[in-house]
Formats: sequence, structure tokens, C-alpha cells
Amino acid sequence: EPEVTQTPSHQVTQMGQEVILRCVPISNHLYFYWYRQILGQKVEFLVSFYNNEISEKSEIFDDQFSVERPDGSNFTLKIRSTKLEDSAMYFCASRGGLAAYEQYFGPGTRLTVT
Amino acid sequence: AQSVAQPEDQVNVAEGNPLTVKCTYSVSGNPYLFWYVQYPNRGLQFLLKYITGDNLVKGSYGFEAEFNKSQTSFHLKKPSALVSDSALYFCAVRDRSGGSQGNLIFGKGTKLSVKP
Repeated sequence: EPEVTQTPSHQVTQMGQEVILRCVPISNHLYFYWYRQILGQKVEFLVSFYNNEISEKSEIFDDQFSVERPDGSNFTLKIRSTKLEDSAMYFCASRGGLAAYEQYFGPGTRLTVT
Repeated sequence: AQSVAQPEDQVNVAEGNPLTVKCTYSVSGNPYLFWYVQYPNRGLQFLLKYITGDNLVKGSYGFEAEFNKSQTSFHLKKPSALVSDSALYFCAVRDRSGGSQGNLIFGKGTKLSVKP
């Protein structure tokens, strides 16, 4: 069964450093998302991506964040200058098409900023 | 504002007994509702959804959920719990605000513990 994959599973970085989190969505899916879950808190929406551009972003997704789909398979989330409060589990998700409402999530990347 | 509430932080059930995990929602328009399960150190796994039609929807692993429009609820149920059902369960609603591309709004999660 196809699944969303994410790498790395755990990333430790120092405050101020750039990180790139990688995701491979399910092939032939058209909509892509990033969410994050701070320890003990809700899963929060960050950004959605469709047709090679951002379609929606939350207030969390500020200028320090960017997303890219560089090669038609990978979907990346970049944080330019990490802060302590960026420490969280980051989930990538994909959805098949307009009438395919359920999203399929990857296993997540745990980002620890020290 | 659109939101999802899961009033119980934890639900404890004995194996073999029926289980219910509660969820209520607040959304403009007709809700698109989902349940996800998260096992330790794993991602969110889709269980079931309600979009339209029959109020009782069936999903993976014997789970089902009942949509109740008048009570704005979408409780997750299973007739006979297994120890392996122990996990964190999230209810979610599709954002119906203008311009949304289908992102999900999640509840805070309910930890289900099934004891032998």
C-alpha cells in the first residue's frame, strides 16, 4: 500500500541554523500539506501546496518557513533560522484530488532545536 | 471560528467491552469529519470519514462513527475493544473557511487505554 515517507525521523539542530525536512508524498496525489505537533499539544496546520504553489498558509507559517516541490516527487519544508519554539513533530500529508477528502500522513520528523 | 472538541483526555476500557471516544465540532456549513489514530512514535493513520449520506460510517479495524447533526457530534465507537486499540485518537474537521484548500482542524486528542 502506498504511503507517505519522511526523512529524517529525528533532526537535532542549534538555534539559528537552517533545517530542511523532506517528504515523499503518495505518487499521483495532488495536494500536499505540512502540519506540526508541539509535544502535548494539538496537531496544527502550517501550509498547503497545490499545482506547484502555496495555496494556503497559517499564521505559524511566517517568513522563516518555505516549501518546495523541486522534482515532482519530494516535498520539502525549510526553516531558515530555527528558534527553540520550532521544536515539534512535523508531519507531511498528501491528498489524492478534489473529491478525495482524506489526507494521508507520514510518520513525522521530530525536530529538536537546542 | 471552526473548532473540534474532544472532551476526554483519556478513556479507559476493558478488553472486550464497547468503547466510545467523543468528538464535537463547530463549523460553518456541512461538516466533513475524520478520525485518525496515532500509535507511539508513528504518524497519523486515517480511520474513517463522514462526508455525506448515512450517519453511521464504518472504517478500519472495526471502528465506526456516528454523525449527529443536531448534537454536532461525531463519536468514534467500537463494539469490542482490543488491547491493540490503545493509542491516541484525533478527531478532525475539514476547514470550510473561504479559500481553504482542505486543511484539517484537529481536536487535542484522546488517549485510549484498553486493559486486558
